[in-house]
Amino acid sequence: GAVVSQHPSRVICKSGTSVKIECRSLDFQATTMFWYRQFPKQSLMLMATSNEGSKATYEQGVEKDKFLINHASLTLSTLTVTSAHPEDSSFYICSVGQKNTEAFFGQGTRLTVV
Amino acid sequence: GQQVMQIPQYQHVQEGEDFTTYCNSSTTLSNIQWYKQRPGGHPVFLIQLVKSGEVKKQKRLTFQFGEAKKNSSLHITATQTTDVGTYFCAGGRIKAAGNKLTFGGGTRVLVKP
Repeated sequence: GAVVSQHPSRVICKSGTSVKIECRSLDFQATTMFWYRQFPKQSLMLMATSNEGSKATYEQGVEKDKFLINHASLTLSTLTVTSAHPEDSSFYICSVGQKNTEAFFGQGTRLTVV
Repeated sequence: GQQVMQIPQYQHVQEGEDFTTYCNSSTTLSNIQWYKQRPGGHPVFLIQLVKSGEVKKQKRLTFQFGEAKKNSSLHITATQTTDVGTYFCAGGRIKAAGNKLTFGGGTRVLVKP
């Protein structure tokens, strides 16, 4: 299966700053990657689909200007949380996988905004 | 939009007992996947069901996909302490690029020794 590396695993930032999270597919060329957010004791909520070489597709209710996604290569997608606020504190996790097959998840990034 | 509901939300099980978690989608699915997430960890793939009425077993775990491809269940027999975690079902969308999944709310399993 695909190996997905996500970095950083934990980050604490001050309110108003921006944080970049990287998702790397180490052995799988991913034309699409997915970004999820998970609040404590809740489910994974899909935020957006990252498309290699084109704009990301955002789910309803997700602010595209706040959560910037860049997918410049087949192995790397980045999620930048801009002007972070305490309510953005969450577990962010990416996944890759071919259609109708299992999803391979990164280790996740726990973001705390203080 | 598509919704995937999962019950129960919490399951407290005595070690050795059986339990079942259920998953229902508002729309027909291309496939259903099950994942297990331990506290602080990421979801780990358990199984995928694709065919209508499909049943798959993994040791003490039995997975079933409904005839209409809108519901699924996971049954665990003789629960062990290693079964602790949150079990998520995730529905694959028929008309979606890549592996786009809609997750159920999860069943959080606690095992009493």
